Amino acid sequence: RKEVEQDPGPFNVPEGATVAFNCTYSNSASQSFFWYRQDCRKEPKLLMSVYSSGNEDGRFTAQLNRASQYISLLIRDSKLSDSATYLCVVNGGGNKLVFGAGTILRVKS
Amino acid sequence: DGGITQSPKYLFRKEGQNVTLSCEQNLNHDAMYWYRQDPGQGLRLIYYSQIVNDFQKGDIAEGYSVSREKKESFPLTVTSAQKNPTAFYLCASSGQGGNQPQHFGDGTRLSIL
Repeated sequence: RKEVEQDPGPFNVPEGATVAFNCTYSNSASQSFFWYRQDCRKEPKLLMSVYSSGNEDGRFTAQLNRASQYISLLIRDSKLSDSATYLCVVNGGGNKLVFGAGTILRVKS
Repeated sequence: DGGITQSPKYLFRKEGQNVTLSCEQNLNHDAMYWYRQDPGQGLRLIYYSQIVNDFQKGDIAEGYSVSREKKESFPLTVTSAQKNPTAFYLCASSGQGGNQPQHFGDGTRLSIL
């Protein structure tokens, strides 16, 4: 079983739609969680950290369910510029992070 | 501006040649990392360093070597022993502590001639 698993997609949605991605992780001792965004042929960029209580940043909401070991990302009112690959990232012990393979989002006009 | 600088952006390797990828950061981060990304795949950890003069192997260290002589610099050498070096190489850095996110340079694309 992979340490971090994501549905690869692609998710094809119209502008203005709400879309949600889930990610599961296997290490129950993981303490920190992140979502990164990666545009085609570019480096990953931190989108948001994920806190136990859930957190929101504008149109983006991240939630953590420790009991079920999954993390979610909700994007409201999708924009064309949201098209990218979204990487779920989990602390793997010490300073090491484990990256999921990513979920592709395509927002269409 | 603070950030991570990788060079070169594109690199070509001949058979039997060692090549070195540069990574420099001015974020005053203690920890630095090298990842490899293949098309359609996730990031895989090659080597990481949590402090100067110390580094550890990641999941795919064979055929690679690193050094950490200065806090700001963490060069990666792709040796001739790495038989499939074509990939996108990403360098990252972070503060100490497991709850710190990593910040990435803009990568080096390595291809075989």
